[in-house]
Amino acid sequence: GEDVEQSLFLSVREGDSSVINCTYTDSSSTYLYWYKQEPGAGLQLLTYIFSNMDMKQDQRLTVLLNKKDKHLSLRIADTQTGDSAIYFCAEGGFKTIFGAGTRLFVKA
Amino acid sequence: DTAVSQTPKYLVTQMGNDKSIKCEQNLGHDTMYWYKQDSKKFLKIMFSYNNKELIINETVPNRFSPKSPDKAHLNLHINSLELGDSAVYFCASSQELYGGGTDTQYFGPGTRLTVL
Repeated sequence: GEDVEQSLFLSVREGDSSVINCTYTDSSSTYLYWYKQEPGAGLQLLTYIFSNMDMKQDQRLTVLLNKKDKHLSLRIADTQTGDSAIYFCAEGGFKTIFGAGTRLFVKA
Repeated sequence: DTAVSQTPKYLVTQMGNDKSIKCEQNLGHDTMYWYKQDSKKFLKIMFSYNNKELIINETVPNRFSPKSPDKAHLNLHINSLELGDSAVYFCASSQELYGGGTDTQYFGPGTRLTVL
């Protein structure tokens, strides 16, 4: 069945790069997404990548997609304390399947 | 202007009660969703409606009954509440059901339901 897996925690120092990894199972997914959830709030779309792309860059965010290994990563350059949140990987098709979320802690 | 709004934000109730959560979107979208986020933050889809028609029903107990009076509203009614229903419930909307890329889902702020 469909499944999206992520590591649960990541801790980085302010100014360093963060890399959040995700694996998915549905090779027919057309789009893959990264959502951010701040405490007490709903999910907000950060970025997405079309399945025929390998990389997408959007300011401090870089998404890498390895379709063969079904591996998706999100790199946040120059991580700030305001980036502390839960990051959800999701694969989209008929319905969007979310991973369990990676809690990013940024130490000042 | 709030794009997707939910009421109430917090709901504390006793086991066995019946309660409703309301959701409204002012984005003109055709599709609305209900998700349940458990204590471990795992997010699971419950229902999806497209043009007021039920499209996705993810093995949710019959005690949960969504109602879509119009495209802008999708309410969730829960009968005979159980302890395991305690979670944060998120409403979301998107333009199309099978859309992707820029047709993303917009999420409401969530309703934290606590069943005692």
